[in-house]
Amino acid sequence: AQSVTQLDSQVPVFEEAPVELRCNYSSSVSVYLFWYVQYPNQGLQLLLKYLSGSTLVESINGFEAEFNKSQTSFHLRKPSVHISDTAEYFCAVSDPRQDKIIFGKGTRLHILP
Amino acid sequence: NAGVMQNPRHLVRRRGQEARLRCSPMKGHSHVYWYRQLPEEGLKFMVYLQKENIIDESGMPKERFSAEFPKEGPSILRIQQVVRGDSAAYFCASSPGRSSGNTIYFGEGSWLTVV
Repeated sequence: AQSVTQLDSQVPVFEEAPVELRCNYSSSVSVYLFWYVQYPNQGLQLLLKYLSGSTLVESINGFEAEFNKSQTSFHLRKPSVHISDTAEYFCAVSDPRQDKIIFGKGTRLHILP
Repeated sequence: NAGVMQNPRHLVRRRGQEARLRCSPMKGHSHVYWYRQLPEEGLKFMVYLQKENIIDESGMPKERFSAEFPKEGPSILRIQQVVRGDSAAYFCASSPGRSSGNTIYFGEGSWLTVV
């Protein structure tokens, strides 16, 4: 069975500082990996995904994540955060042979002025 | 192309009543997923359906909860005899299937409050 661990439930960071949100997964097969973002009182929006190919994937708003197979990680990073990045971020994993996606518990990103 | 549509956005029910949550997937999507979100507990998978079929209901409580995705019309998540513990945000997501790399797209959610 697959699982996702997001080690930090909350991450405070000052505006314009860099941030890393950690995600580790467990799976005995190859995986698809996702990061979703949820703004207050809204649904989840896809931020970026890894399906195959380049291990570094980027989003349009400056986030990036790197698939590390040896460490079974898919950490999300941004070099300089903005107040508008305040949200909850969910890492997710999927088995390409199946249609179910498993989510982590989420990490709440607090941007400090 | 409209996104995943969920209604109602907010629903208040008294204990013992029934709650019905509706979800219309994105156009062209035949796969529907329901998730429940509780504070501090993240997003929990409930059920995965395709048209007229329940594919995986491993996350559904054994009693009071049911889901359907008929040939015509939206997917329905039905909760009978609601209790306070059912209060949560319920999210529907849809997907065209593995051709999208299993990418799923979420609706805005339905917030159920049981009083």
